[in-house]
Amino acid sequence: EVQVVESGGGLVQPGGSLRLSCAASGFRFSYSWMSWVRQAPGKGLEWVANINQDGSERHYVDSVKGRFTISRDNAKNSLSLQMNGLRVDDTAVYYCARGLMFDPWGQGTLVTVSS
Amino acid sequence: DIQMTQSPSSLSASVGDRVTITCRASQGIGNSLAWYQQKPGKAPKSLIYGASILLSGVPSTFSGSGSGTDFTLTISSLQPEDFATYYCQQYNSHPLTFGGGTKVEIK
Repeated sequence: EVQVVESGGGLVQPGGSLRLSCAASGFRFSYSWMSWVRQAPGKGLEWVANINQDGSERHYVDSVKGRFTISRDNAKNSLSLQMNGLRVDDTAVYYCARGLMFDPWGQGTLVTVSS
Repeated sequence: DIQMTQSPSSLSASVGDRVTITCRASQGIGNSLAWYQQKPGKAPKSLIYGASILLSGVPSTFSGSGSGTDFTLTISSLQPEDFATYYCQQYNSHPLTFGGGTKVEIK
């Protein structure tokens, strides 16, 4: 079964850091672009970042540039999102997804930034 | 950045109705468009990519069309399980962008 599973969400204070992880299985991870997409409470979907197959190309939405870093470990079929300088408006469910068009999606992990 | 504009933002329909949702890109994106379905409290589900290619397991009541800047998602006969929010997304260029969503509600 092709799937991705996120972990690492939680409650963090403004200015804090958090690292999200995504475990992939059932497909050739090293052949795939991988992405993070988020959804703030009651809002629509927002693409956050993605990374190409060998990690040589990374893209970010403007609002997270310089604060978030996407990375991958092809040997472990894993994707990560290091989030520093977190702000209240980063509060969202964060989804891991394969590709530039996203399929499949994980179940999501909730990140809450609050004092 | 490419802006994606969906319309309507919500609609009410009955089981068996034909439903059409439109998505317009602020500049041409070829056929690099995907559609997703999301139910409350659940992760999005991918329906269509390449503007018109149904993913495996997606009912044939769903169809997509369009290219360039104007795209359409059609549900030919609305089923109870189709009541959800639908999003379009362009993957022609970074930053990747979504439409604002269309909520399909029961009339």
